[in-house]
Amino acid sequence: AQTVTQSQPEMSVQEAETVTLSCTYDTSESNYYLFWYKQPPSRQMILVIRQEAYKQQNATENRFSVNFQKAAKSFSLKISDSQLGDTAMYFCASTITDKLIFGTGTRLQVFP
Amino acid sequence: EADIYQTPRYLVIGTGKKITLECSQTMGHDKMYWYQQDPGMELHLIHYSYGVNSTEKGDLSSESTVSRIRTEHFPLTLESARPSHTSQYLCASMTGRETQYFGPGTRLLVL
Repeated sequence: AQTVTQSQPEMSVQEAETVTLSCTYDTSESNYYLFWYKQPPSRQMILVIRQEAYKQQNATENRFSVNFQKAAKSFSLKISDSQLGDTAMYFCASTITDKLIFGTGTRLQVFP
Repeated sequence: EADIYQTPRYLVIGTGKKITLECSQTMGHDKMYWYQQDPGMELHLIHYSYGVNSTEKGDLSSESTVSRIRTEHFPLTLESARPSHTSQYLCASMTGRETQYFGPGTRLLVL
């Protein structure tokens, strides 16, 4: 069965610092996508960043970047210059055909 | 910003009532999904649709039903609500094999 594992239930970071959220996955698909979604408290789930598995270059979106290690099936998210607005649940997800498999999430708290 | 809407946003209802959670998207996406999520927990897929007149059950067994009569509309119905149905329900849509876009969710409380 395909799985997505987030081993850090909670993380905290001080404002302006850098934090890395971990994610490992297991898939039998040869062509797949990986995602990080952000869900702020009581707010809408939004896409943070997306990685296409056939692309070796790590995706970057402003302060957010990933470290995609395909052989190790690892897909970590790095948040640079953390801001208070980054406080949220972060979910790692992998595609399986046309569906998504989600990890259990990491609750990130950014402190002033 | 994705154009996907869910109503109501919050619903408190008594046991045994029939409820319908609405989900609409204006992006013309062919694929739509319903997830169930307890607060602060992971998402579980309960229903999905690949297009009009197509509906499938997801990985988590659910007593709810769905329909897809129009591309933009994917309502979820509970014939007889129970306290065990208390949860948050998220709707999402996607085209091709790209990103799923999520609605704001409906928080359901069954008394």
